[in-house]
Amino acid sequence: DGGITQSPKYLFRKEGQNVTLSCEQNLNHDAMYWYRQDPGQGLRLIYYSQIVNDFQKGDIAEGYSVSREKKESFPLTVTSAQKNPTAFYLCASSRGLSGYTFGSGTRLTVV
Amino acid sequence: SQQGEEDPQALSIQEGENATMNCSYKTSINNLQWYRQNSGRGLVHLILIRSNEREKHSGRLRVTLDTSKKSSSLLITASRAADTASYFCATGGGNAGNMLTFGGGTRLMVKP
Repeated sequence: DGGITQSPKYLFRKEGQNVTLSCEQNLNHDAMYWYRQDPGQGLRLIYYSQIVNDFQKGDIAEGYSVSREKKESFPLTVTSAQKNPTAFYLCASSRGLSGYTFGSGTRLTVV
Repeated sequence: SQQGEEDPQALSIQEGENATMNCSYKTSINNLQWYRQNSGRGLVHLILIRSNEREKHSGRLRVTLDTSKKSSSLLITASRAADTASYFCATGGGNAGNMLTFGGGTRLMVKP
């Protein structure tokens, strides 16, 4: 079955630590996206990539980094520069102007 | 930045009733999409309506789009307890290309 997989489902980060969230898709979609969702809120775009080896900052890119070395993979690193990283992170992919396919999310908590 | 804004922010109805959610946006669009999110889960694409369409149906869902008013509505008929979720509109196209911008969502609770 084609889909998009995020891992881990839950992640705990200590102060000053970098952590990486995984996002893999087998839908052959060119575009991939990372969103952040805070409790009771909508989605805010962190980074997006329209094609391999290219990515662009979204609305809240500070404190985050990404790479797109393979079409299937778009990992997100939450760096120590992100002062309030506790949130629900959603990865999505799309082809053209069609709807997005979302992963099931990673809940990151600072401990 | 969030272009789409849903109204109401929260809605509570009884099973069997209809639920209507509205979305307003600010700039020109190519299409508008509605998504559903169950608590703690990813979003699921429900329906896409293009800027040259006025109404679209999918099962118990009915979406309308009024580009002159820059607004859309999602109607869920004969609601069920399983419809309890958050619903988001997302606008795409126009100057944003194939990027989607999501609104803040409507939290729907359907009481059995």
